[in-house]
Amino acid sequence: GENVEQHPSTLSVQEGDSAVIKCTYSDSASNYFPWYKQELGKGPQLIIDIRSNVGEKKDQRIAVTLNKTAKHFSLHITETQPEDSAVYFCAASGAFGNEKLTFGTGTRLTIIP
Amino acid sequence: NAGVMQNPRHLVRRRGQEARLRCSPMKGHSHVYWYRQLPEEGLKFMVYLQKENIIDESGMPKERFSAEFPKEGPSILRIQQVVRGDSAAYFCASSPNGNQPQHFGDGTRLSIL
Repeated sequence: GENVEQHPSTLSVQEGDSAVIKCTYSDSASNYFPWYKQELGKGPQLIIDIRSNVGEKKDQRIAVTLNKTAKHFSLHITETQPEDSAVYFCAASGAFGNEKLTFGTGTRLTIIP
Repeated sequence: NAGVMQNPRHLVRRRGQEARLRCSPMKGHSHVYWYRQLPEEGLKFMVYLQKENIIDESGMPKERFSAEFPKEGPSILRIQQVVRGDSAAYFCASSPNGNQPQHFGDGTRLSIL
């Protein structure tokens, strides 16, 4: 089955700086890669996703890049703000009919004011 | 638009009792997924259901756990004869079809005394 590894497990950045979180996956059939933000006591909130036919996607301060050859995808947050502090999870899933998400182990991001 | 609704938010059971967790998907969503999250860990897939059908239960323990999504009413995750190891946060997600992003509820935190 699919295995997703996520690094780093914790990340602290100064407010205004950029944060990068990286994930690798094992199943070459995976073709959908969402990123979720989870705040304390809440459920995961989808913040951005990318499909395998696209190499990069951007939404305001958040961007995701995908390298299918290397089976690697990354989340980039620019101009970080205190409200970006949370746990971030990457995930991967396969083609239609195999939609279960396999999650990484999470990155606790702390923005230092 | 109401999001994915889960209840109860917190549930306390004694060992040997039954736990019932409910999930009402977003309006128009007919696909439901259940995930389990242990403290400081990522989410693990349990089961994927459509109305009246179990599509994938590969992540569900073979004993004591069952799930349903009836034609009318919420999806139910049932855990019989609970043990201490069942203590976790259980999250439900829904999507309009299998090829669309999954949106999560805020979970049920199950504690076993």
